[in-house]
Amino acid sequence: SQQGEEDPQALSIQEGENATMNCSYKTSINNLQWYRQNSGRGLVHLILIRSNEREKHSGRLRVTLDTSKKSSSLLITASRAADTASYFCATRGEGAQKLVFGQGTRLTINP
Amino acid sequence: DVKVTQSSRYLVKRTGEKVFLECVQDMDHENMFWYRQDPGLGLRLIYFSYDVKMKEKGDIPEGYSVSREKKERFSLILESASTNQTSMYLCASRIGNGNQPQHFGDGTRLSIL
Repeated sequence: SQQGEEDPQALSIQEGENATMNCSYKTSINNLQWYRQNSGRGLVHLILIRSNEREKHSGRLRVTLDTSKKSSSLLITASRAADTASYFCATRGEGAQKLVFGQGTRLTINP
Repeated sequence: DVKVTQSSRYLVKRTGEKVFLECVQDMDHENMFWYRQDPGLGLRLIYFSYDVKMKEKGDIPEGYSVSREKKERFSLILESASTNQTSMYLCASRIGNGNQPQHFGDGTRLSIL
């Protein structure tokens, strides 16, 4: 299985601080994606990083990928209360059609 | 923006009933997916379809079937609902190959009594 595993399972920080979430996986991948899920809603795509990329940015989001360690991190800078959500990483294996999701990190931003 | 619409946000059914969950996307995506999401288990793929009338089993297809008669619509069918199928069901669609993101609906929270 190449299931992504997020770490930590839960994270609580103060508004304005940075939040870092990590994802590890087991086998070679084609790409790794991060999604956000607000309570009771569907998932929203944040960033896709390909296996030949090391870092991508989108607004306050920064994703890194280390294929030698089979790990990725998602950094949210200057967090806001609206960032409170669960964050999932998902991997697509080489030649695979489907994504494999981790169990997510529950992020709480305290005002 | 891509819109993926699931027919019901909440649904309550009885054991043994045949249950239909409907999903429609408005962006002409070839690929559509059904997941279930359970606490501690994350998202698990039930079935997916990469074209009209085509379907592939995911990781947990037992007890489910799917139908894709039109490109925009992907239906999940619980042949004979059981209490262990109580879950959040999420539909997603994706254009092209696997280097594109998936777009999710808001989910259907299904309770089987």
